[in-house]
Formats: sequence, structure tokens, C-alpha cells
Amino acid sequence: DIQMTQSPSSLSASVGDRVTITCRASQSISSYLNWYQHKSGKAPKLLIYAASSLQSGVPSRFSGSGSGTDFTLTISSLRPEDFATYYCQQTYSTPPNTFGQGTKLEIK
Amino acid sequence: EVQLVESGGGLVQPGGSLRLSCAASGFTFSSYAMTWVRQAPGKGLEWVSGISGSGGITYYAESVKGRFTISRDNSKNTLYLQMTSLRADDTALYYCAKVAERRVTAPIDYWGQGTLVTVSS
Repeated sequence: DIQMTQSPSSLSASVGDRVTITCRASQSISSYLNWYQHKSGKAPKLLIYAASSLQSGVPSRFSGSGSGTDFTLTISSLRPEDFATYYCQQTYSTPPNTFGQGTKLEIK
Repeated sequence: EVQLVESGGGLVQPGGSLRLSCAASGFTFSSYAMTWVRQAPGKGLEWVSGISGSGGITYYAESVKGRFTISRDNSKNTLYLQMTSLRADDTALYYCAKVAERRVTAPIDYWGQGTLVTVSS
């Protein structure tokens, strides 16, 4: 199975900060990489698919980049509602479609 | 509006069985793959199982292979997860989720609110 490793595991930042979360795959997954936002008690939400495509309705301050094994999720200017846990997921080839371990973004 | 409503969770003893259901609405159910994803207490998301739109292709995580069975009834717009030989480490919130395409290997674009499964004596 393909392993996904996110860094950092947790991150403290302030409103207005630029934040970057990274995700590394254990083998090349081309651009088959998705990012989700998960707030406690709520359903996860798709933010980015195919590494860099913004899901409909997601604010443009979210962006994704990368291909192969290394990917990033960037939030250009943090808003209060962005504090949550973020997960990457690979959907390359045969499942399981593994998730990263998550990055918890907290208010500084 | 897409809606996914899970049911069937609860407390079960180790070694027991449980069947989860997910009632789907707001989209053409048979045209999309579906998955189950779980989150154990204090842990991250874990992909559990996926099924193609027709139901003819299924996939499982190694941790549940041979114990869990995913299925769907497209006439009832319902997804199922039959869980047997349950263990304490199966304790989790189980999410039903819609895949954005007919194939399982695609992003998840909608999620239910989850149903809690607790395995304990």
C-alpha cells in the first residue's frame, strides 16, 4: 500500500498568516492527490483534488501544488474558520486510497 | 442537495457483528462509487472500503479484509457495510462517503455525519 506522510503534525498560526502543509507519498502518485478539511463534529470537506484543482465553492485562499511524491497545501491568509485538521489522500491506482495522518492547525 | 445518512452503529461485544447502512439522496446513486471511511477516537481518517457504481467491484483496507463486506442496493439508494469478527480497534466513527466519479479511485466529494461503532465487553 502507498503510505502518505504529512508534516507538520500540528501547527500554530495567527489569523492573516500564510500557512503551508506538506504531504509526501511513499511512491509516485502522479497528481492523484486530494486535500480535505475536517472540523470536529462535522463531516470532512473536499478542498483540492488532482493536486491543484480547487473544489467548487472553496475559497481561493486555498491552493495546492505538487506531483510525483511531494505535495503542498497553502492557505494564503488564514481566517478564523480555517482552524481545523487537514488531511491529504491519494487516489492513485488500486485502493486502499490512503490518507495522511493529518495536520492540526491551531490558533496561536 | 446530496444527503448521506448513516445508521446501524452501536455497542457490540468483541467478536460480534453489525451492519451499517447509508441512505443516499440528491444524486443518481448508481452512477457513483461509494466508500466507507472511519475515524477512531483521537486518530485520523482511515479509508476502509469502496464499491463501484454498479456494485461489481469492491475494495478493502488490509485491516478489515475478510471481516467486512461492502455492498449496495441501487434500487433503494442504500450503501451497506457488514462487519463481522469485530475487535476493539474497530471502534470508530464510520463515515459513508460519495466518490466524485463512477470509479472508486477518485476524490470523495460528499460525506455523511457518521455513525459510531463501539466494540467493548
